[in-house]
Amino acid sequence: QSVLTQPPSVSATPGQKVTISCSGSSSNIGINYVSWYRQVPGTAPKLLIYDNNKRPSGIPDRFSGSKSGTSATLGITGLQTGDEADYHCETWDSSLGAAVFGGGTKLTVL
Amino acid sequence: QLQLQESGPGLVKPSETLSLTCTVSGGSITSGDYYWGWIRQPPGNGLEWIASMHYMEITYRNPSLKSRLIISIDTPTNQLSLRLSSVTAADTAVYYCVRQTTGTLYFDLWGQGTLVTVSS
Repeated sequence: QSVLTQPPSVSATPGQKVTISCSGSSSNIGINYVSWYRQVPGTAPKLLIYDNNKRPSGIPDRFSGSKSGTSATLGITGLQTGDEADYHCETWDSSLGAAVFGGGTKLTVL
Repeated sequence: QLQLQESGPGLVKPSETLSLTCTVSGGSITSGDYYWGWIRQPPGNGLEWIASMHYMEITYRNPSLKSRLIISIDTPTNQLSLRLSSVTAADTAVYYCVRQTTGTLYFDLWGQGTLVTVSS
């Protein structure tokens, strides 16, 4: 059971927009920054969004992040088949004294 | 370009100790701006943070694993190590070496990962 809650899967068609939610609590998302990681099966995760809404160099602006209260959202516009992957949210939990992850969301581009 | 490379046995017997090493190349493990740590992923499951350590010996450990784990940094060899004792099948996972920023604590660099199977 993950501390952060994500939908197990989402799907959309090429060119559409999709959002992935990440729900937490007042001890984690509510007071700390959220980051998102993209993982192609069989490979290591890669940083996609940090500090709630910032993109590392090389990440296209089709990817966006936002946070409101104890929830965060990853948005992907102009979906491409290459966007198919697992997406993980993460933050620090100040009560646990630990980094915590969501269970991951599998994105399928139909 | 800085890279992280995990190494260690791919098979460990139940009740024994899992030992992994991460070699940092292309940069120094003594950078003050980063923690160095471990994250694991059981087959078919999500990510679990294990521990993070600064070269000045500031250490954070997952409370659920704290009693079984030792994390250390060897600055002359630019290596990070993990020892997890009394392993069971539940410790079977891909283990990733990671770099974590000291500011807002995100993981900006990951190793390729190494699969460790606990089985007799």
